[in-house]
Amino acid sequence: DVKVTQSSRYLVKRTGEKVFLECVQDMDHENMFWYRQDPGLGLRLIYFSYDVKMKEKGDIPEGYSVSREKKERFSLILESASTNQTSMYLCASSFPDSNQPQHFGDGTRLSIL
Amino acid sequence: DQQVKQNSPSLSVQEGRISILNCDYTNSMFDYFLWYKKYPAEGPTFLISISSIKDKNEDGRFTVFLNKSAKHLSLHIVPSQPGDSAVYFCAASGATSGTYKYIFGTGTRLKVLA
Repeated sequence: DVKVTQSSRYLVKRTGEKVFLECVQDMDHENMFWYRQDPGLGLRLIYFSYDVKMKEKGDIPEGYSVSREKKERFSLILESASTNQTSMYLCASSFPDSNQPQHFGDGTRLSIL
Repeated sequence: DQQVKQNSPSLSVQEGRISILNCDYTNSMFDYFLWYKKYPAEGPTFLISISSIKDKNEDGRFTVFLNKSAKHLSLHIVPSQPGDSAVYFCAASGATSGTYKYIFGTGTRLKVLA
């Protein structure tokens, strides 16, 4: 079974803080993704990576950055957290074939106060 | 611009009956479609997918139908069970969204009544 592990289930931070969300997958997947889920908006892609040290912007990258130093680990960084970044953050991974589904972690519910 | 739409935010169905969840898309370049199920406090779980070269794919109680001319796909669950109560997301990908990128709908909350 594919295992995608997000380091925290719940996180509370203050505005202006630098926040790190960590994600690790154990299936040797090349692709990794960060989404946020908000009510009425579905899942929106923030950033993705198709190889170590490679990254591409998704649909809503503003205010975020990412790091992928090792194949199994993909980090999402909120450079200076703001209240509008309060959300559920979901990490996913997949093989590069276009017909391979993405597998998700259980999410991190982040609150910015 | 919502390229993938799930127009029903919620649906209630009696146990044992059929659940039909719908999804519409606007981009004719999408060629791979998926359904995910999400329980509260868990990540989305892959359910079933379909390639644009097919019009139907079946896996146990779950069947996905694709109507390319109408740009419409649907998920049928037969028979529905209380454990199927969850939020269902459809997703699409293709040449214009990028091979690796999915565009998700906003989700439909299914409630199966015992």
